[in-house]
Amino acid sequence: GDSVTQTEGPVTLSEGTSLTVNCSYETKQYPTLFWYVQYPGEGPQLLFKVPKANEKGSNRGFEATYNKEATSFHLQKASVQESDSAVYYCALSHTNTGKLTFGDGTVLTVKP
Amino acid sequence: GPKVLQIPSHQIIDMGQMVTLNCDPVSNHLYFYWYKQILGQQMEFLVNFYNGKVMEKSKLFKDQFSVERPDGSYFTLKIQPTALEDSAVYFCASSLDRGNTGQLYFGEGSKLTVL
Repeated sequence: GDSVTQTEGPVTLSEGTSLTVNCSYETKQYPTLFWYVQYPGEGPQLLFKVPKANEKGSNRGFEATYNKEATSFHLQKASVQESDSAVYYCALSHTNTGKLTFGDGTVLTVKP
Repeated sequence: GPKVLQIPSHQIIDMGQMVTLNCDPVSNHLYFYWYKQILGQQMEFLVNFYNGKVMEKSKLFKDQFSVERPDGSYFTLKIQPTALEDSAVYFCASSLDRGNTGQLYFGEGSKLTVL
């Protein structure tokens, strides 16, 4: 079945530093790839999605490129802010059912 | 943006009792999902539902679990009887499309504590 593996957390950074959260996936389908973010007490919300290989998605300064050859979708941000503290999930969608398969999540804490 | 509402936000019950978790999905959405999250751990797929039927379910979706959405009402997850290992936060989600175009919208979760 489908699987997603991402950087183990927790990750602690200082404001203004750069972030990389690695994500790799396995699937026999042609997936759409997603990054979701979850704040305390809330459900996951979409950060951005990329449906096509070799394309880049971005939102709020975060970005990731769908690398089909490497089966990777690493999340990056050049300069993190304290408000970016949250759990970040890499996910892929199943073509036929729409089911999202999540990675384990990476807890990010940004200190002022 | 579109909102998925979940009721209750928190429920405490004794092992062996029945519980029903309710979800009010985004109004024009067609696909419905339940996920389970044990504190601090990953989001685990339970089941998805379309056109009145279960499309796919995981090994976590035990025989004690059931889902339904009677016309125009909540999408529900029922657990009967409950077990200690059912303690978790259950997230409902809905989407308009599936697969490559589908974005899931999640509720804020129903925290279930089984004593």
